[in-house]
Amino acid sequence: ELKVEQNPLFLSMQEGKNYTIYCNYSTTSDRLYWYRQDPGKSLESLFVLLSNGAVKQEGRLMASLDTKARLSTLHITAAVHDLSATYFCAVDWGETSGSRLTFGEGTQLTVNP
Amino acid sequence: NAGVTQTPKFQVLKTGQSMTLQCAQDMNHEYMSWYRQDPGMGLRLIHYSVGAGITDQGEVPNGYNVSRSTTEDFPLRLLSAAPSQTSVYFCASSRDGNQPQHFGDGTRLSIL
Repeated sequence: ELKVEQNPLFLSMQEGKNYTIYCNYSTTSDRLYWYRQDPGKSLESLFVLLSNGAVKQEGRLMASLDTKARLSTLHITAAVHDLSATYFCAVDWGETSGSRLTFGEGTQLTVNP
Repeated sequence: NAGVTQTPKFQVLKTGQSMTLQCAQDMNHEYMSWYRQDPGMGLRLIHYSVGAGITDQGEVPNGYNVSRSTTEDFPLRLLSAAPSQTSVYFCASSRDGNQPQHFGDGTRLSIL
């Protein structure tokens, strides 16, 4: 059974600070996805990481994937209040690529002024 | 550009009732999935499909049925609702593994 663990589960940080969210998974996979969810809303795709060493950046967020360590990171640079949300990583382990995802529990991020 | 459309948005059922949650996408995506999200938890995969006529079980399939007769539609049926099925249900679709899944707005289901 694939296990996907995120840490921390809760993160409160000040505006302007940097922090990293970690996503560890228990089985071989070279596809990992990051999503954002605002309270009461649906999920919005942030990044798709498709190979070992993949790095993607969008604004103040940067995601990376190390398939050998079975680890992905989501780095937040100079946080702003608008980044407050819950962030999920999801690992693909389907026989058909991208068909079967297991999600982490989510990291609830609060950015304080 | 509708994307993934789920209906209804809210539903209250009594224990033992059956119902179908509808999901439709207009992006010609082959892959479709149903998830449930419980408070404080991530999403758990119920059933998924890699194309019309092809479905398979996810992590938590018991109590749910699916079918995929067309590319566009992927309904989820609750056979005999139980309070443990109270949850928010999300449908998602994607073209392939190189693209992210697109999620619908969700159906908030309460079973009394």
